Amino acid sequence: GAGVSQSPSNKVTEKGKDVELRCDPISGHTALYWYRQSLGQGLEFLIYFQGNSAPDKSGLPSDRFSAERTGGSVSTLTIQRTQQEDSAVYLCASSPSVETQYFGPGTRLLVL
Amino acid sequence: QKEVEQNSGPLSVPEGAIASLNCTYSDRVSQSFFWYRQYSGKSPELIMSIYSNGDKEDGRFTAQLNKASQYVSLLIRDSQPSDSATYLCAVKGRNTGFQKLVFGTGTRLLVSP
Repeated sequence: GAGVSQSPSNKVTEKGKDVELRCDPISGHTALYWYRQSLGQGLEFLIYFQGNSAPDKSGLPSDRFSAERTGGSVSTLTIQRTQQEDSAVYLCASSPSVETQYFGPGTRLLVL
Repeated sequence: QKEVEQNSGPLSVPEGAIASLNCTYSDRVSQSFFWYRQYSGKSPELIMSIYSNGDKEDGRFTAQLNKASQYVSLLIRDSQPSDSATYLCAVKGRNTGFQKLVFGTGTRLLVSP
């Protein structure tokens, strides 16, 4: 079956512009996670959705970052007024439970 | 102290040798432990999970957990050049409500032919 998909695969934007990153989780997976990975670094947790519960936003680095998940499926991560330090790979993962997470291919964001 | 610590490496082993990757964690009440493999430019993929003390074997991979020492390791037997990747340790613990994974920064493994 289809895995987690993310779009776009690459995004180049200018400082100050807004960007939207999309994640399509595996069908039926109730949990969805967003992570950020800077070059040579580990995964930094951003936000977590579980079913219809309020999302855990504790990892969002600033109020420029927001995310939503519509209909318990597709999620969009929005970064407003992008800064150069936002350049990273943004990874989405979904999970059928609170255990195994399956990662998408990521979106490589470059802010010029 | 970081919640999950790994030596960044690189860990270099010859083909056919045993590669030993180590990870320590700070939250004593952690319950679930995972090893992910990440090839350069790719996303992480799960290779092992372990929940109780002792060893868990899957093919050439063995995960070892020692909760008293707050230590989890991954052994790769008969290492192959295709095993060359970054290995990420992840832990699910009380401080995240047992809901989120906390990742280490990863250990880079290089297997030379």
